[in-house]
Amino acid sequence: AQSVTQPDIHITVSEGASLELRCNYSYGATPYLFWYVQSPGQGLQLLLKYFSGDTLVQGIKGFEAEFKRSQSSFNLRKPSVHWSDAAEYFCAVGPAQGAQKLVFGQGTRLTINP
Amino acid sequence: DARVTQTPRHKVTEMGQEVTMRCQPILGHNTVFWYRQTMMQGLELLAYFRNRAPLDDSGMPKDRFSAEMPDATLATLKIQPSEPRDSAVYFCASGLRQTYGYTFGSGTRLTVV
Repeated sequence: AQSVTQPDIHITVSEGASLELRCNYSYGATPYLFWYVQSPGQGLQLLLKYFSGDTLVQGIKGFEAEFKRSQSSFNLRKPSVHWSDAAEYFCAVGPAQGAQKLVFGQGTRLTINP
Repeated sequence: DARVTQTPRHKVTEMGQEVTMRCQPILGHNTVFWYRQTMMQGLELLAYFRNRAPLDDSGMPKDRFSAEMPDATLATLKIQPSEPRDSAVYFCASGLRQTYGYTFGSGTRLTVV
């Protein structure tokens, strides 16, 4: 069965510090991988996606993620966080073929200390 | 920027009442999803349409939930009768199959008392 695990429910970092949010997936076939961000009271916004090719993908707002097949991971990183990055972050996995239903992780809530 | 529009943004209703949530997908998008978000379950897929045809509604309680796309500009999710356990935020998302990047609406926050 498909599943996505985000081990950290809540992370707090200081403004200007680096960030890494973890995501592990379980998938029987070649997955497509996504990171979404949700600000309070808003819908989810796509940060980046990985389909194939270069395992380091760049997204919006200065985020990047690295796909590591051997570790079944797709961790999200940012070199220097800004107060506006405080939000909930969701990792998701979907099939390369067939119905494009995304399975989401439980989310990681990011708090930024000034 | 093109956006997915959901109405209403908030809905408070009494148990047993019918609730209808509406979604206007982005013009030209051929795929529409309904998701439900709760603290306990996170994001759950309820239903999925492509070219207005329902492809998968296995995540939806069939006895009380129904989802339709009367035309390409409107998707509806109906609950009848509503129950307190249906309290959640319901999201609609639309996209193009080819690009696989979905745009989410801002959601409808439903409270059933």
